[in-house]
Amino acid sequence: DSGVTQTPKHLITATGQRVTLRCSPRSGDLSVYWYQQSLDQGLQFLIQYYNGEERAKGNILERFSAQQFPDLHSELNLSSLELGDSALYFCASSKTSGLTDTQYFGPGTRLTVL
Amino acid sequence: DQQVKQNSPSLSVQEGRISILNCDYTNSMFDYFLWYKKYPAEGPTFLISISSIKDKNEDGRFTVFLNKSAKHLSLHIVPSQPGDSAVYFCAAKAGNTPLVFGKGTRLSVIA
Repeated sequence: DSGVTQTPKHLITATGQRVTLRCSPRSGDLSVYWYQQSLDQGLQFLIQYYNGEERAKGNILERFSAQQFPDLHSELNLSSLELGDSALYFCASSKTSGLTDTQYFGPGTRLTVL
Repeated sequence: DQQVKQNSPSLSVQEGRISILNCDYTNSMFDYFLWYKKYPAEGPTFLISISSIKDKNEDGRFTVFLNKSAKHLSLHIVPSQPGDSAVYFCAAKAGNTPLVFGKGTRLSVIA
């Protein structure tokens, strides 16, 4: 158990809908990262928050947004969902965002868009 | 354009033998490299890392080798055990930039 929790575990929804994925980082970790893993793909970095502020942005679609709250949990909002958004979404956390900071991953949320 | 490549999607090894997983990268700015292991229905788990100032790092049965001139790193598992069967991801970063992951190699250790 990495100490990072993600809810829900599974989510099935229809095209055009909006969903919210939630992540609670390990105790004491200030950085939260979101990744997307589509079929046969590596983990694609979406966005990073550090202590409530956006720190880095990857290939995140405009239909997606995220935030980190004062209690350091984070939410990833996906809207106007398309079939291609079906994927595993992982959250990771680390103490800071330094070079050698290890990222600890949650178990992921499997999103299926029908 | 893939900056981190794991060219072998899968690898089968007999129990007790050495497993060698390979990873190539194209970005010469990468200065920190990591290996993660992933079991089904779980998130990736950190395994071992290496800084670009070293060429080898060892942790128990796991050793990572870095060849900067070839932009290549490898993970050696000796001896391989059935519990090592998982997907292994190579990842790299440059300074405080986000991690860049390869697509993974599925290792099967056969008893």
